[in-house]
Amino acid sequence: KQEVTQIPAALSVPEGENLVLNCSFTDSAIYNLQWFRQDPGKGLTSLLLIQSSQREQTSGRLNASLDKSSGRSTLYIAASQPGDSATYLCAVQGGSEKLVFGKGTKLTVNP
Amino acid sequence: DAGVIQSPRHEVTEMGQEVTLRCKPISGHNSLFWYRQTMMRGLELLIYFNNNVPIDDSGMPEDRFSAKMPNASFSTLKIQPSEPRDSAVYFCASSRIQGASNQPQHFGDGTRLSIL
Repeated sequence: KQEVTQIPAALSVPEGENLVLNCSFTDSAIYNLQWFRQDPGKGLTSLLLIQSSQREQTSGRLNASLDKSSGRSTLYIAASQPGDSATYLCAVQGGSEKLVFGKGTKLTVNP
Repeated sequence: DAGVIQSPRHEVTEMGQEVTLRCKPISGHNSLFWYRQTMMRGLELLIYFNNNVPIDDSGMPEDRFSAKMPNASFSTLKIQPSEPRDSAVYFCASSRIQGASNQPQHFGDGTRLSIL
């Protein structure tokens, strides 16, 4: 059974700092890995999707990497801003359309 | 372009009552997913449909839970009878699956359900 773990559960950083969020998964037979953002009282917004054949994806200040063999992914946020404060969730997709989610990292960027 | 629309946004009801959650997926999407989110267990998939057909309902916790998708633009998740442990935020998501193409799932804002 696939399990997804995100460490740390919470992170607080000063504005402008570069930071890395971690995600690990137990079964390396994945189809893709996705990073989502969740704001309080809202649903999830897809940030980046990395296919199993890819090593990384970039969108603006965000860069996500994937090392399928070791079961790890990182989300790098450059020059963090208070507006980046949210919970970030990692999810992996296996052979079906099902996503298995981690419990997320709650990020607070302090002005 | 309207996103996934869920109703109601909040529901408070007494134990034993029937609860019906509704979802309108994004037009043109052919897969629909129901999730439940709690502090203890995080986000869990309950059931998903492809082209209105239930594909995997292994995440549905008990027979008290049922889901339907009568057409491509509407789905319901029903709990009967409801129990306090069903209190959670329920999300609906949709995506377009076409062959091997991976499209991100788009989420609604959820229904916050409280069973007293």
